[in-house]
Amino acid sequence: ETGVTQSPTHLIKTRGQQVTLRCSSQSGHNTVSWYQQALGQGPQFIFQYYREEENGRGNFPPRFSGLQFPNYSSELNVNALELDDSALYLCASSLDRGRHNEQFFGPGTRLTVL
Amino acid sequence: AQSVSQHNHHVILSEAASLELGCNYSYGGTVNLFWYVQYPGQHLQLLLKYFSGDPLVKGIKGFEAEFIKSKFSFNLRKPSVQWSDTAEYFCAASGYSSASKIIFGSGTRLSIRP
Repeated sequence: ETGVTQSPTHLIKTRGQQVTLRCSSQSGHNTVSWYQQALGQGPQFIFQYYREEENGRGNFPPRFSGLQFPNYSSELNVNALELDDSALYLCASSLDRGRHNEQFFGPGTRLTVL
Repeated sequence: AQSVSQHNHHVILSEAASLELGCNYSYGGTVNLFWYVQYPGQHLQLLLKYFSGDPLVKGIKGFEAEFIKSKFSFNLRKPSVQWSDTAEYFCAASGYSSASKIIFGSGTRLSIRP
């Protein structure tokens, strides 16, 4: 257990719908990163939030957006869902945004798009 | 382009056998290197990391990895595996100036025969 929690555990949506995934970071951590892990692949970086501001983004379209709240919990929103969005979505929190800070991963949310 | 390659998709070993999982990276500038492990039904967790200094890095559970800059490699080793080492192993990298964005390889599934 890492202290990072994610909800929901599983989710089924249809193409075109919108989804919101939630992440509670480990106590004392101000940085949250989101990753998408497709079946049989390694996690891919979506974006990172540091103190409520986006602090870097991977190669994902704008329909992937996020928020970080004053308590440092975070949301990942995906609009206009596509079949290829089916994946495990991981969030990871770290004490700070610098490269020396270990990222602690949550259990993930399994999203299925039909 | 930044990338991490793991050439072994599935490795099957008997208990007490020695393990070496290959990892090569392509990254401009200073690089940080990691090995993560995902045991069945558990969170992704850090096995070991290399930032600088001694290229031979020791991690948890008897694992070690060697950074060979000339070969752009960071192979994971363990002299004698146990059944409990059955898991998915991910090599990963991040850059000096890219906050804590991590690029993962596609993973190697390790199965240990009792």
